[in-house]
Amino acid sequence: AQSVSQHNHHVILSEAASLELGCNYSYGGTVNLFWYVQYPGQHLQLLLKYFSGDPLVKGIKGFEAEFIKSKFSFNLRKPSVQWSDTAEYFCAVNAPNTGFQKLVFGTGTRLLVSP
Amino acid sequence: NAGVTQTPKFRVLKTGQSMTLLCAQDMNHEYMYWYRQDPGMGLRLIHYSVGEGTTAKGEVPDGYNVSRLKKQNFLLGLESAAPSQTSVYFCASRQARGTENTEAFFGQGTRLTVV
Repeated sequence: AQSVSQHNHHVILSEAASLELGCNYSYGGTVNLFWYVQYPGQHLQLLLKYFSGDPLVKGIKGFEAEFIKSKFSFNLRKPSVQWSDTAEYFCAVNAPNTGFQKLVFGTGTRLLVSP
Repeated sequence: NAGVTQTPKFRVLKTGQSMTLLCAQDMNHEYMYWYRQDPGMGLRLIHYSVGEGTTAKGEVPDGYNVSRLKKQNFLLGLESAAPSQTSVYFCASRQARGTENTEAFFGQGTRLTVV
């Protein structure tokens, strides 16, 4: 089945450490890609998105992601995390086989940043 | 703007009871979605709608019904609640503009417990 995979379910880092969260998808053709963040007790908010053009996308709060079409990946990175980045991170894909109407999410990665 | 508003925020149901969750958006978005969020499973799509009067099934539609009688509202119904439907429910909306896709905006969530 077509899907979105996030292989890291839990990540623990110290402040100032670098972050990379993996996201792989299995849809062929053109895809639209998103990273959302959910802070404790809150709803999902958009971090960044990729539709076309430069495969290196910059988002809010110092986050960036790189789209590598040959690897079907859209990994999220941040050079130096802060305690306030503690949250759950979700990768999402618009599926071309449904006319881009559906938004399919990965299972999420829970990040804990220790001070 | 209120954005996406979900009602209620919390609810406890007894097995077999029915209820309706209301999602309202004031952004004139065409697409609306209902997701459930469970630990370790990310967000799973229950039903979605691409316009007033239309609905479609997502990944986990069993036990739920939906209606989109007005463009701004998307209702999720549980006819006979089961403990397996204990979850946090999120509504989202998104504007559709041809083939260019846009980000989804999420409500604050409804925490439902079925005992």
